[in-house]
Amino acid sequence: ELKVEQNPLFLSMQEGKNYTIYCNYSTTSDRLYWYRQDPGKSLESLFVLLSNGAVKQEGRLMASLDTKARLSTLHITAAVHDLSATYFCAAPLVSGYALNFGKGTSLLVTP
Amino acid sequence: DTGVSQDPRHKITKRGQNVTFRCDPISEHNRLYWYRQTLGQGPEFLTYFQNEAQLEKSRLLSDRFSAERPKGSFSTLEIQRTEQGDSAMYLCASGDGVEQYFGPGTRLTVT
Repeated sequence: ELKVEQNPLFLSMQEGKNYTIYCNYSTTSDRLYWYRQDPGKSLESLFVLLSNGAVKQEGRLMASLDTKARLSTLHITAAVHDLSATYFCAAPLVSGYALNFGKGTSLLVTP
Repeated sequence: DTGVSQDPRHKITKRGQNVTFRCDPISEHNRLYWYRQTLGQGPEFLTYFQNEAQLEKSRLLSDRFSAERPKGSFSTLEIQRTEQGDSAMYLCASGDGVEQYFGPGTRLTVT
């Protein structure tokens, strides 16, 4: 059974600082997804990483994928308050389409 | 294109009642997914359609749950004899490639 584990689950960081969220998954997958969720809202797609070594960047967020280590990272550069949200990673189930999500990392950026 | 829409956005029902939710995917997306999310957790996969065919069901989908996508466009998710444990956000997503785009969700409260 595919397991997706994120850490940390809670993160409080100061504006301007850098930090990395880690996502480990337990079985082979060639794709990894990152989503953002604001309180009471639905999920917004951030990145889909499609191959080993893939790196994608959007603003202050950068995601990477190491399929051999079964590890993806979401790096936050010079955090700002607007990045406060819950971030989920997800990997496809065996069927290849439906997703198995981690528990999420709740990020709070403080002044 | 206005994105994935779901109706209703909120539903309060008494234990034992039946409820039905509707999802309208992004037009021409052939895949449609249902997920359930409880507070503080990541979304959990329930079922997935390709066009009108239901191709995969999670073991979370008990026999009280049924989903349809009769013409390969909108989908309905019905829960019969609701229980308090069914209280959750029910999310629909659609896609035609590797991406999945989520709707705003239907929040179900069973009293």
